[in-house]
Amino acid sequence: QKEVEQNSGPLSVPEGAIASLNCTYSDRGSQSFFWYRQYSGKSPELIMSIYSNGDKEDGRFTAQLNKASQYVSLLIRDSQPSDSATYLCAVTGDDNDMRFGAGTRLTVKP
Amino acid sequence: KAGVTQTPRYLIKTRGQQVTLSCSPISGHRSVSWYQQTPGQGLQFLFEYFSETQRNKGNFPGRFSGRQFSNSRSEMNVSTLELGDSALYLCASSAGPGASEQFFGPGTRLTVL
Repeated sequence: QKEVEQNSGPLSVPEGAIASLNCTYSDRGSQSFFWYRQYSGKSPELIMSIYSNGDKEDGRFTAQLNKASQYVSLLIRDSQPSDSATYLCAVTGDDNDMRFGAGTRLTVKP
Repeated sequence: KAGVTQTPRYLIKTRGQQVTLSCSPISGHRSVSWYQQTPGQGLQFLFEYFSETQRNKGNFPGRFSGRQFSNSRSEMNVSTLELGDSALYLCASSAGPGASEQFFGPGTRLTVL
């Protein structure tokens, strides 16, 4: 079974700190990796996509991918209370099916 | 560019009834995926349609079905509703099947009484 694993949290960080969210996946053939943010009562919103090993930065967000370790992470710098949400990791394998992790709930405390 | 739209946004049904949910993808997108989200099970894949063909199906009973029209709009149907079908049903639009970035609609909140 191809799985995507995330720590469910909750992860709590103080305002201004770096929040680190982690995701592992079981399918070595996985090709594409995504991070979604979901506020309570809302639908998931795509915030980052990454396709090759290394780091990808977009504003305060950095996605990191290590295919050898089957690991993808999301760093949020200068965390703000508005970043408080559930973050979903999604992975597509060589079958082109997208699989989601259960999500990590992040709370940023003022 | 308009985003993904879903109708209705909220729905209350009773056990045994059936329901049809609608999704209009982003203009130009031809792939529509459907997901069920519940607090206990998270986001679970229902099915994906591309060019009016069901490309893949998740592990749901046959009571859950869908279709896609030539304009890429999609509908999903749930027959003989059960209490456990209460969930947020999300539609996601992408330019192509599988690996493309998916963009979600606001969802339809279904409550089965």
